[in-house]
Amino acid sequence: GAGVSQSPSNKVTEKGKDVELRCDPISGHTALYWYRQSLGQGLEFLIYFQGNSAPDKSGLPSDRFSAERTGGSVSTLTIQRTQQEDSAVYLCASSFEFNQPQHFGDGTRLSIL
Amino acid sequence: QQQVKQSPQSLIVQKGGISIINCAYENTAFDYFPWYQQFPGKGPALLIAIRPDVSEKKEGRFTISFNKSAKQFSLHIMDSQPGDSATYFCAATLPGTALIFGKGTTLSVSS
Repeated sequence: GAGVSQSPSNKVTEKGKDVELRCDPISGHTALYWYRQSLGQGLEFLIYFQGNSAPDKSGLPSDRFSAERTGGSVSTLTIQRTQQEDSAVYLCASSFEFNQPQHFGDGTRLSIL
Repeated sequence: QQQVKQSPQSLIVQKGGISIINCAYENTAFDYFPWYQQFPGKGPALLIAIRPDVSEKKEGRFTISFNKSAKQFSLHIMDSQPGDSATYFCAATLPGTALIFGKGTTLSVSS
């Protein structure tokens, strides 16, 4: 596609439910990144993928968070047993190779009631 | 040591004026310093970037000034326009790591 595509654009769910956020990177980009942006905060790094593997998972806030990438393309970020503090905008970015300029999607705005 | 400190948090500039946003870092191993621009409801977009072997980079009305000895870098927006009103993030990266972002500066350019 022309740019990084994220879905859904908005998600409202009840505390305790599981959510899945999807990222479709720019075609041909091998590196994919997930960030979280909370109100008044900068962008917090969560995880990145080189191909289908995730060398650095250090930014995941807890074991309720997981991510996978299949076929070197689409990635899914899963949050289990959501908590109110998980409310944020989740941003995905991709780059041609790791450490090349990152191109961001418009994010998924997640609201936990 | 992994932080990037950005200031000011918010900035109001008259149309035609110069907007200046500053960032400071501690880790001298950082080797890439991009600036991102973000409009409400949109993802950040890469604006301009610099590596530490260069002291200044200019692209149109946007200039990065880099002071390696002071471990500071700044974004200058010349002839600021209302369309420049957005949130700006500085960032830095080490080889082999993802971007570390500052907390952002909300710029409002008044007409």
